[in-house]
Amino acid sequence: EKVMTQSPVTLSVSLGERATLSCRASQSVSDNVAWYQLKPGQVPRLLIYGASSRATGIPARFSGSGSGTEFTLTISSLQSEDFAVYSCQQYNNWPLTFGGGTKVEIK
Amino acid sequence: QVQLQESGPGLVKPSQTLSLTCTVSGGSISSGSYSWNWIRQPAGKGLEWIGRINTSGSTNFNPSLKSRVTISLDTSKNQFSLRLSSVTAADTAVYYCARDLDYGDNWFDSWGQGTLVTVSS
Repeated sequence: EKVMTQSPVTLSVSLGERATLSCRASQSVSDNVAWYQLKPGQVPRLLIYGASSRATGIPARFSGSGSGTEFTLTISSLQSEDFAVYSCQQYNNWPLTFGGGTKVEIK
Repeated sequence: QVQLQESGPGLVKPSQTLSLTCTVSGGSISSGSYSWNWIRQPAGKGLEWIGRINTSGSTNFNPSLKSRVTISLDTSKNQFSLRLSSVTAADTAVYYCARDLDYGDNWFDSWGQGTLVTVSS
């Protein structure tokens, strides 16, 4: 199975600053990567699919890039509601697999 | 906008079977080319895809869980269900139901809010 590795595990960022999250695949997954935002007790939210396409209703401050084995989620200017855990997922191969997550916390 | 909601016991004894149901509202579970999935997240760990069922009743499972998992669809109730047999403490997790497209584009565009299941005697 394709292993997805996210880094860092925790990212401390100030309000208004830029956050850059990384996701690496153990083998190429083309551009078949999605990103999600997870908050305790809330419905997980799809942010990005196809490595770089924003899902419906997602603010422009969220952007995704990458292909092959290296992927990045960038939040250009962190808002208070953006502090959460972010998870990447590959859907190039079965079984579908996720990264371990990056927690974005307030610095 | 479709909404999903998990339900079921929050506590299951070791060696027993975990049973959860996902109720879909705001749309028919049998319309469109979607598959209906179960995903879980143990505390402090990443998400793990368990398996899925499409509207034709075809299923896919994670090989790591395949021998213990059953997923079924009840279109009359707009629900789908998970059964996980022979559970151990390692199956303690928040369990989510989610929707993806049936063919390719297997990202999850709609999720339930999750339900915590603890395996303990």
